[in-house]
Amino acid sequence: DTAVSQTPKYLVTQMGNDKSIKCEQNLGHDTMYWYKQDSKKFLKIMFSYNNKELIINETVPNRFSPKSPDKAHLNLHINSLELGDSAVYFCASSPLGTDTQYFGPGTRLTVL
Amino acid sequence: DQQVKQNSPSLSVQEGRISILNCDYTNSMFDYFLWYKKYPAEGPTFLISISSIKDKNEDGRFTVFLNKSAKHLSLHIVPSQPGDSAVYFCAASAGSGTASKLTFGTGTRLQVTL
Repeated sequence: DTAVSQTPKYLVTQMGNDKSIKCEQNLGHDTMYWYKQDSKKFLKIMFSYNNKELIINETVPNRFSPKSPDKAHLNLHINSLELGDSAVYFCASSPLGTDTQYFGPGTRLTVL
Repeated sequence: DQQVKQNSPSLSVQEGRISILNCDYTNSMFDYFLWYKKYPAEGPTFLISISSIKDKNEDGRFTVFLNKSAKHLSLHIVPSQPGDSAVYFCAASAGSGTASKLTFGTGTRLQVTL
């Protein structure tokens, strides 16, 4: 009965590659988010989607492209990976009209 | 410019005693505050929240206090248990509704010792 799930949990890849991280929530929430936790453990929002519509885009490089095929899924595609993209990426979701967000387990991305 | 600050990177408390974790913020537009708990290799887990119209919210062993004039909030855990050992993040948002973003502090690692 996983609430917010992400795949893969670990991702190791070479610089310049393109990769995707998938997120699914079975909570029936309308809003989904991507956060990045960098090496200093600072958790920062990247994107949010409400019912498949982009709501927040926090000046993230356009190599990062979120895609929401339906309101239960928000995937993150990253082109031309750079060393600085190495981080833990968390997906989250929240019900409409509330600020309480529920997080997935995270995807640790390592770019070599 | 860090709008949410947790100035203590770590805290050690004996089992059974009270743990007090602190958080300061600078943005006066924040009106909703949350605490999350995070174990290694897991995502943050929602613990407790408080709206700016309140100054206290309690849930079992966890109580959050908000001092708006000081732009300060704290999380009290009593009694502390070994399973409470984790990293605690304070978060804040400005205006609920569609997709409010959370601004996080850098976390405080709590160690509850036997």
